Amino acid sequence: SQQGEEDPQALSIQEGENATMNCSYKTSINNLQWYRQNSGRGLVHLILIRSNEREKHSGRLRVTLDTSKKSSSLLITASRAADTASYFCATDGGSEKLVFGKGTKLTVNP
Amino acid sequence: DAGITQSPRHKVTETGTPVTLRCHQTENHRYMYWYRQDPGHGLRLIHYSYGVKDTDKGEVSDGYSVSRSKTEDFLLTLESATSSQTSVYFCAISEAIGVKEQYFGPGTRLTVT
Repeated sequence: SQQGEEDPQALSIQEGENATMNCSYKTSINNLQWYRQNSGRGLVHLILIRSNEREKHSGRLRVTLDTSKKSSSLLITASRAADTASYFCATDGGSEKLVFGKGTKLTVNP
Repeated sequence: DAGITQSPRHKVTETGTPVTLRCHQTENHRYMYWYRQDPGHGLRLIHYSYGVKDTDKGEVSDGYSVSRSKTEDFLLTLESATSSQTSVYFCAISEAIGVKEQYFGPGTRLTVT
């Protein structure tokens, strides 16, 4: 069963706009990770946020984590056409294996 | 890209035939994983390895076996391929399980006819 569920399933925006994707999960976690997948490629790790952290930044990426709501969000600011990809959250669910959500497909139109 | 290769990259096979997919890493990472990715299901863990000859089952292990005789190689075998195993298979590696990021290979697209 999926531990993380991303929302929305698909998102289409214009270049320069911000993109926000959400992830909800079910059980306690040690950390939550976000990955990007370009079409036809493997997943690429973007950012890891630990359960005792509330916010983390990496370049144009901002991740928040609310453990009380069991949710996380990924914000991409000033989006570019090259940000077009699918984005996945992954949680450890307190266990030793990562469980991935089904992903949000982001399209950034030039 | 992390030093992970998968072979073959594409394969078409017939139902009932055995198939072996290979994952090779040059990073000397202890943990290796096999996932399958299907529309509507996201990425699901098939098997993983936490060391040479040490493997364990994931969420969707039925119909699959794995072997790891060397740190750098992790093999996924479909003993008798079925059409439901048509999928894209990804190998991943990590330094530590769970709490560390995983690095993914380019994937193998398998079609079972």
